[in-house]
Order: sequence, then C-alpha cells, then structure tokens
Amino acid sequence: EVQLVESGGGLVQSGGSLRLSCAASGFLFSAYWMHWVRHSPGEGLLWVARITSDGSSTMYADSVKGRFTISRDNAKNTLYLQMNSLRAEDTAVYYCTKSFEYWGQGTLVTVSS
Amino acid sequence: DVVMTQSPLSLPVTLGQPASISCRSSQSLVDSDGDTYLNWFQQRPGQSPRRLIYKVSNRDSGVPDRFSGSGSGTDFTLEISRVEAEDVGVYYCMQGTHWPPWTFGQGTKVEIK
Repeated sequence: EVQLVESGGGLVQSGGSLRLSCAASGFLFSAYWMHWVRHSPGEGLLWVARITSDGSSTMYADSVKGRFTISRDNAKNTLYLQMNSLRAEDTAVYYCTKSFEYWGQGTLVTVSS
Repeated sequence: DVVMTQSPLSLPVTLGQPASISCRSSQSLVDSDGDTYLNWFQQRPGQSPRRLIYKVSNRDSGVPDRFSGSGSGTDFTLEISRVEAEDVGVYYCMQGTHWPPWTFGQGTKVEIK
C-alpha cells in the first residue's frame, strides 16, 4: 500500500524558514517523480515544485522560485521542501504527491505577518 | 501558462440526480504523444485530494462508476450520474500536458440542496 506522510509544518513568522518532509513507503520511491502541491482557501490547489526520480532536475512555480527548494533522499525514501523567506501568502496545507495519483494527508504551514 | 477554467463554481444538487462540471483549457491539451493529460480530483471536506479520472476518461481504481469523464482538445466534462451524500466536496480539473507549471482549475463546490 502506497503511503505518503508529511511532517514539518507549523507556525512561522514572515521571513522565516521551514523544512517539510514526506516519508514514502509501499512503492519504489527512487523510480518516480515527486511533487509538492499546496491548498489554501483563497487559492485552491497550486502546484509548487517537482523533482525527477534521481533528483537531478527540479522545477518550481513562479511564486516560490528562488525561495523554495525541493530535494529527495532515495536511500531514506524521503522527499523534502525547504521553504525560505516565507510570506503570509504561503500559508496553506502542503501535500506531497506521487504522480498526482497518491497524496499524503498534508501538513499545515501558517505564516504570520 | 495554461489556464484552466471551471464552471459552475458552485453546484447545488439533489440526491439521486445527475451533476455535470465543465472544464476548459486556454490551449489544446493534446500532447505530442497523442495522449491528453487531463485529470479530475475530488477533495472532500478536511481530506486530501483524490484523483478520480486520468487522461480525460479513465477512472482510478476504487472510483465508483457513477463518475465519468469526457471531452477533447480544450473542453472537458466530469459527470456524476446520481449524486450521493458522500460526493459533497470540491472538484478540480488539472492539466499535465504543458508543464511547468501543472495547473488546476479554480474548483467546483458540490453541495446537497
């Protein structure tokens, strides 16, 4: 059974940093692209970042480019999202997803201004 | 970026009656490989997104057959043949042909009258 479990969310001040993790199990993690997607009441669902199976290529939404970094550790079956220079508009539930087919339960990030 | 436009944004329905959601893309979603990467997701209150339909009309495993997807090019439809109480939530279309970014519609809120 595919499982994706996010962690690392919380309350942070504007300008601060957080690192999200996504622990994967039930599939060959190292063979798949992975994505981060966020959801907020005002924005709906927004794709945030993608990383290839070996971690050699990453892509970002314009709204987070230069501030967020997606990475992975295939030995630990874990996906990461390093979020720097956080803004109030980054407040959302962040999900990791395998090919948009499987999703984690999400982790809430709240940025206070 | 490809803009995905859903209508209606709110859809009150009677239990047992059909429901239909439209999704239009700002450019054709036919890929160079001949496939059309248009997905539909359901997000129930307090839950993670769940993919219902991939490549326009293919139901994911475990998705009831009352859900169906159709369309081509730039116009797509999600239909629920007979709405049940568990179908309440927000439905999103998403394109995966012209990336980055992968883009979602604004969401359609389905509620029971």
